[in-house]
Amino acid sequence: NAGVMQNPRHLVRRRGQEARLRCSPMKGHSHVYWYRQLPEEGLKFMVYLQKENIIDESGMPKERFSAEFPKEGPSILRIQQVVRGDSAAYFCASSPGTGVEQYFGPGTRLTVT
Amino acid sequence: DAKTTQPTSMDCAEGRAANLPCNHSTISGNEYVYWYRQIHSQGPQYIIHGLKNNETNEMASLIITEDRKSSTLILPHATLRDTAVYYCIVRPYGGSQGNLIFGKGTKLSVKP
Repeated sequence: NAGVMQNPRHLVRRRGQEARLRCSPMKGHSHVYWYRQLPEEGLKFMVYLQKENIIDESGMPKERFSAEFPKEGPSILRIQQVVRGDSAAYFCASSPGTGVEQYFGPGTRLTVT
Repeated sequence: DAKTTQPTSMDCAEGRAANLPCNHSTISGNEYVYWYRQIHSQGPQYIIHGLKNNETNEMASLIITEDRKSSTLILPHATLRDTAVYYCIVRPYGGSQGNLIFGKGTKLSVKP
């Protein structure tokens, strides 16, 4: 049973470009969460999605960031017009339900030059 | 803000038991204690969770005090690969809260 998959594992973008991060949850999991870890800092929740619905986006920056989890395909975290402060590790997690244990992917390391 | 207090760092000798404490004095009756760890640069890994009874799985044991105000995660025979930051998190189980709130955790260093 494959775990949570994220791609790309490393992504380099120039300031002003767009970054798209993808997450495929574990089989049977319909709940997806995105977290961000800035260099030398802790993990911070960004957004919680179920298929085709955003459940909680209280941790998402108000501008430039968006997330989706379509009926088919992976969840996408999209960052428009990236800035150097967006450089971080972005982790996706999935779970079979709400309020239960979450399983994390290996992360995408975004570097903005 | 995290509702737990953990020591910043701990050392453990390889092959010995690692006992990681966590204080959660304001825990509510419906909140469980969860433990995750993050090995350097990897995604966090779920370890174990419990409500009030002691729990054990293939990775670790969780001992929760009778008043539920503190708990201890036990790695019975620590290896070098257990070197990681360990996070103690309290949250309702099966409730509507989706996100995990990570504090600073305990950096465990297992030494040969």
